[in-house]
Amino acid sequence: NAGVTQTPKFQVLKTGQSMTLQCAQDMNHNSMYWYRQDPGMGLRLIYYSASEGTTDKGEVPNGYNVSRLNKREFSLRLESAAPSQTSVYFCASSTPGTNTDTQYFGPGTRLTVL
Amino acid sequence: GDSVTQMEGPVTLSEEAFLTINCTYTATGYPSLFWYVQYPGEGLQLLLKATKADDKGSNKGFEATYRKETTSFHLEKGSVQVSDSAVYFCALTSSGGYNKLIFGAGTRLAVHP
Repeated sequence: NAGVTQTPKFQVLKTGQSMTLQCAQDMNHNSMYWYRQDPGMGLRLIYYSASEGTTDKGEVPNGYNVSRLNKREFSLRLESAAPSQTSVYFCASSTPGTNTDTQYFGPGTRLTVL
Repeated sequence: GDSVTQMEGPVTLSEEAFLTINCTYTATGYPSLFWYVQYPGEGLQLLLKATKADDKGSNKGFEATYRKETTSFHLEKGSVQVSDSAVYFCALTSSGGYNKLIFGAGTRLAVHP
């Protein structure tokens, strides 16, 4: 049981390049989330997927797109990277049901945009 | 909108000292409250949670009580260890539903022998 896995662990991009961050979970969770973590700002929600086939914007969606490929996988795409997107990105998933669900986090992807 | 405010760090303590990290929140409705911990180079792990007023969450010697009257969820531990050095995040479930979390900025704790 690997939990939540993310690839890659590190990435350096030039401004304008594109890339996709991959996330997969093996806990049969319905809901999945993408956050970014910036110094002094905690984690902010980029996009989430309440269930397979649905996605919705979070607090900071501009410059990102997502795909819920199937129940296990939820990818985050940067179409044209900007230095402001330099951050650590975390994927999370949660159990179905009530508002008290625990979110389980992946190890993160550290992205630098030059 | 919903928000979480944590005391700024870093907090530096000697081993076996008492720890308090303050957390206050603003929210509509009745959110659940969480403390997550992030060890160096890792993702976040749930430390404890409370789902209604006056509930006390506890785990690994850490405790926090959901205080609706003061909108607070302060984290405490009676005797910290070097292995507790990490960043601690207070969070609540957003009134927007779907278990979306709102996080505080995080508080870095450094414990020295």
